[in-house]
Amino acid sequence: DAKTTQPPSMDCAEGRAANLPCNHSTISGNEYVYWYRQIHSQGPQYIIHGLKNNETNEMASLIITEDRKSSTLILPHATLRDTAVYYCIVRLNSGGSNYKLTFGKGTLLTVNP
Amino acid sequence: NAGVTQTPKFQVLKTGQSMTLQCAQDMNHNSMYWYRQDPGMGLRLIYYSASEGTTDKGEVPNGYNVSRLNKREFSLRLESAAPSQTSVYFCASSEMLWSGSYNSPLHFGNGTRLTVT
Repeated sequence: DAKTTQPPSMDCAEGRAANLPCNHSTISGNEYVYWYRQIHSQGPQYIIHGLKNNETNEMASLIITEDRKSSTLILPHATLRDTAVYYCIVRLNSGGSNYKLTFGKGTLLTVNP
Repeated sequence: NAGVTQTPKFQVLKTGQSMTLQCAQDMNHNSMYWYRQDPGMGLRLIYYSASEGTTDKGEVPNGYNVSRLNKREFSLRLESAAPSQTSVYFCASSEMLWSGSYNSPLHFGNGTRLTVT
């Protein structure tokens, strides 16, 4: 089973780029890396996902290393509303449990004014 | 588009009471899920529905039942509420049944905060 490791917390100044790292050294070749975030008292929000190539959407960019053992989520211009817990997820179970989405503890990103 | 809508947002029940949590999605997704979130436990899957007309148990199904009413709606019922069911409940949907190998992210509602006294 793939497992992810994220720092428990990070700070970022408003307007600056926030770079959130994630290690997933046991990821399998066909497993995507997903990023979600959860703002206090809200449901998890999908941000971005990728397999091998770097990805960008209106919310963020995802940089995946060539060996796929780690990735970085980049919020290019962080705002106060980006303060949230960010979760890096790969498939964490097998044997019929493909539906299981385990979030772990994530990284609490605090954007400071 | 509203995405995934859950009702009610808050609910307080007494032990033994029953209630149904409602969930609807407007993204034409095939698969829907019910999760509960407790401090230190992450998100745990209660039930899921891979497609209209099918439902299956997840990790913690005891004490719950579900109904996939149609493609849009997936309800969760507590027949006899217990204090251990105090939690935040999230409904989610995806285009197809989620698997880490599939290109199908989950979209979540904003949750129902349930307290059972």
